[in-house]
Amino acid sequence: EPEVTQTPSHQVTQMGQEVILRCVPISNHLYFYWYRQILGQKVEFLVSFYNNEISEKSEIFDDQFSVERPDGSNFTLKIRSTKLEDSAMYFCASMGGETQYFGPGTRLLVL
Amino acid sequence: SQQGEEDPQALSIQEGENATMNCSYKTSINNLQWYRQNSGRGLVHLILIRSNEREKHSGRLRVTLDTSKKSSSLLITASRAADTASYFCATVRMNRDDKIIFGKGTRLHILP
Repeated sequence: EPEVTQTPSHQVTQMGQEVILRCVPISNHLYFYWYRQILGQKVEFLVSFYNNEISEKSEIFDDQFSVERPDGSNFTLKIRSTKLEDSAMYFCASMGGETQYFGPGTRLLVL
Repeated sequence: SQQGEEDPQALSIQEGENATMNCSYKTSINNLQWYRQNSGRGLVHLILIRSNEREKHSGRLRVTLDTSKKSSSLLITASRAADTASYFCATVRMNRDDKIIFGKGTRLHILP
């Protein structure tokens, strides 16, 4: 069964460093999303992406964040200068029909 | 703002019993979905119910939706140890794009 994959599964970085989180959505899906979940809190929407552009973004998704679909398969989330409060689990999702399928997540720890 | 809120926050039951979790939301929706998350892991889609549906079944799962009360329930019958997880309801707003709004979740623990 097709699934969304994410790499890396864990990443530790120093505050101020740039990180790139990678996702491979399900191949025939056209809508892509990033969400995050701070430990013990709810899953929060960050950004949606369709037709090679952002269709909606939340207040969390400030100028430090960017997304890209550099080729036909990868979908990336870049955090330019990480802050301590960016520590969270980041989930990628892609949508087929009405259902969003989530990847296993990348656990980001900013020190 | 629209928000799914699950009730209870935590639930412990004996294996074999039925587990019921409830969800309330605030605004009109296109559909409501339930997801499961094992500790520290990804989100697994369980079931989707559209706004014009009242009940849906999938295996041991039964979901109801009452749009007049803006509420939904998830029933897991004959619970198993493997059902131990957090369960989230998630809504997609009416006439908006498809971002999902998640609730805080119910932590379900199945006792052996």
